[in-house]
Amino acid sequence: AQSVTQLDSHVSVSEGTPVLLRCNYSSSYSPSLFWYVQHPNKGLQLLLKYTSAATLVKGINGFEAEFKKSETSFHLTKPSAHMSDAAEYFCVVSEAGGSEKLVFGKGTKLTVNP
Amino acid sequence: EAGVAQSPRYKIIEKRQSVAFWCNPISGHATLYWYQQILGQGPKLLIQFQNNGVVDDSQLPKDRFSAERLKGVDSTLKIQPAKLEDSAVYLCASSLRYVRVSPLHFGNGTRLTVT
Repeated sequence: AQSVTQLDSHVSVSEGTPVLLRCNYSSSYSPSLFWYVQHPNKGLQLLLKYTSAATLVKGINGFEAEFKKSETSFHLTKPSAHMSDAAEYFCVVSEAGGSEKLVFGKGTKLTVNP
Repeated sequence: EAGVAQSPRYKIIEKRQSVAFWCNPISGHATLYWYQQILGQGPKLLIQFQNNGVVDDSQLPKDRFSAERLKGVDSTLKIQPAKLEDSAVYLCASSLRYVRVSPLHFGNGTRLTVT
């Protein structure tokens, strides 16, 4: 069965510095991988997705992630953090075939300090 | 386009009581999901519908939880009787097609507190 591990439950950065949110996955088959963001009292929003095309995926708001099969990783990065990036981020995996259900990680809370 | 609508926004009940949540997906979205998000955890899939048929309900506690999607549009999720551990945010999501092709659109959720 597929699963994801988000290596940090909390990440704190200063505004204008780089962001790195780490995610490792486990999947028996070719996975699709996603990052979702959840702002306080808001619904989950898709940031970006990997579905076996280019390994470097660009998303909204300047975020990107790189699929590394050899490391089973899908880390989320952003060159320069903005105050509005403060939120909870979820790494998500889905396997091809069947119901293609999404399996969420436990989340990483990003704090951006002025 | 209008987003996924959920109601109520908040609900407080006592244990052993019943509760129902309602979801109206984005128009035309064939796939509908109910997720449970316990505080400090990621969302966990409870049930997935394709039109009005169930695709996956392997993690739905069927002794107390039930869900239906009449006419392949709106859906309700019911808990009867509720337990303390059911306190969570219940999220509804919908998608046009498979997740590899179409993103999930989430509602704002219903926050349930069981006392």
